[in-house]
Amino acid sequence: NAGVTQTPKFQVLKTGQSMTLQCAQDMNHEYMSWYRQDPGMGLRLIHYSVGAGITDQGEVPNGYNVSRSTTEDFPLRLLSAAPSQTSVYFCASRAGTSGKTQYFGPGTRLLVL
Amino acid sequence: GNSVTQMEGPVTLSEEAFLTINCTYTATGYPSLFWYVQYPGEGLQLLLKATKADDKGSNKGFEATYRKETTSFHLEKGSVQVSDSAVYFCALIPYNNNDMRFGAGTRLTVKP
Repeated sequence: NAGVTQTPKFQVLKTGQSMTLQCAQDMNHEYMSWYRQDPGMGLRLIHYSVGAGITDQGEVPNGYNVSRSTTEDFPLRLLSAAPSQTSVYFCASRAGTSGKTQYFGPGTRLLVL
Repeated sequence: GNSVTQMEGPVTLSEEAFLTINCTYTATGYPSLFWYVQYPGEGLQLLLKATKADDKGSNKGFEATYRKETTSFHLEKGSVQVSDSAVYFCALIPYNNNDMRFGAGTRLTVKP
């Protein structure tokens, strides 16, 4: 049981490049989400999904796309990277209801030059 | 809207000192409340949680009580250790919503 896994661990991009951050979970959780962590701002929700085929925007969705074709995977796409997207990105998953524990991946550190 | 406010850090304590990290929230209804801990270079781990008013969450010597009347969920530990050095996040999930909201985090450093 690997929990929530993320790849890559670290990535450097140039402005305007695109990339996909991968996230997978093996706990059969309905709910998955992406956060970015910036100094002094805690974690902010980018996008989330309540099940395969269903996604919605969070607090800071601009510049990011997501899709959820399977229960296990929830990739985050940056179509045209900007320096403002330099951050640490965390994927998370939990069973559906609000009282359930949310599990986090180890994070992807992204630097956009 | 739904939000969490934590005391600003950083907090520096000596080993065996008493720890309190304040957390207050704004939410409609009865949210679920959480404390997460992040060790250097790692992701977030659940420390404790409470899902209804007056519940006390506890784990590894840490405690927090869900206080509806003061909309608070303060984290406490009676005697901190060097290994408790980390960043602590207070968070909530509203009862009718999937959106988990976090405080800004409080960095704790415990010196021997």
